[in-house]
Amino acid sequence: DADVTQTPRNRITKTGKRIMLECSQTKGHDRMYWYRQDPGLGLRLIYYSFDVKDINKGEISDGYSVSRQAQAKFSLSLESAIPNQTALYFCATQRGWGNNEQFFGPGTRLTVL
Amino acid sequence: QQQVKQSPQSLIVQKGGISIINCAYENTAFDYFPWYQQFPGKGPALLIAIRPDVSEKKEGRFTISFNKSAKQFSLHIMDSQPGDSATYFCAASMRGAGSYQLTFGKGTKLSVIP
Repeated sequence: DADVTQTPRNRITKTGKRIMLECSQTKGHDRMYWYRQDPGLGLRLIYYSFDVKDINKGEISDGYSVSRQAQAKFSLSLESAIPNQTALYFCATQRGWGNNEQFFGPGTRLTVL
Repeated sequence: QQQVKQSPQSLIVQKGGISIINCAYENTAFDYFPWYQQFPGKGPALLIAIRPDVSEKKEGRFTISFNKSAKQFSLHIMDSQPGDSATYFCAASMRGAGSYQLTFGKGTKLSVIP
């Protein structure tokens, strides 16, 4: 079974719709991250959370919000989707001390028409 | 602004050759430099990482060379194989409150041709 799962894996929606992407992990890690990947731009950090009560904005948080429902769950919402939010979205986890490996989920491909 | 600059954007190497990808950073507070490998349809996965107290780290055919004074680090893939064809990202992070975030380079698409 995958340690970091993301749902849905693919989603097509229309401009103005509210969308939620979900991430669950069984690794027991405290830290969770949401990234966006666009061709030629690499991975950019949207939001991150170091524990259930800790939420922080990343490099490109405008137009996004998050919720850390439990240690194992971290959701990303687009309140009113726009076409330039079409991208590949990745969730990642990391154990709660020091600089160390981040474990990525399989990604969600989101298309906003 | 924290930045990690990666080159080249794409690389074609013959099977058995050496693949070299370079990265440069600006923030001297960075103290962890990983490389991630991403296959199509998959999330990135850690390949190898280095900390600035060493100049080189080798794991199998993969080697990171680190030059602290030049603020540069590179990934060398020896005896490149078609199975190494993937996108490679360098990254950097630093410790401290609110840190441990990874700042990624823009990626290098490696194609190893038979």
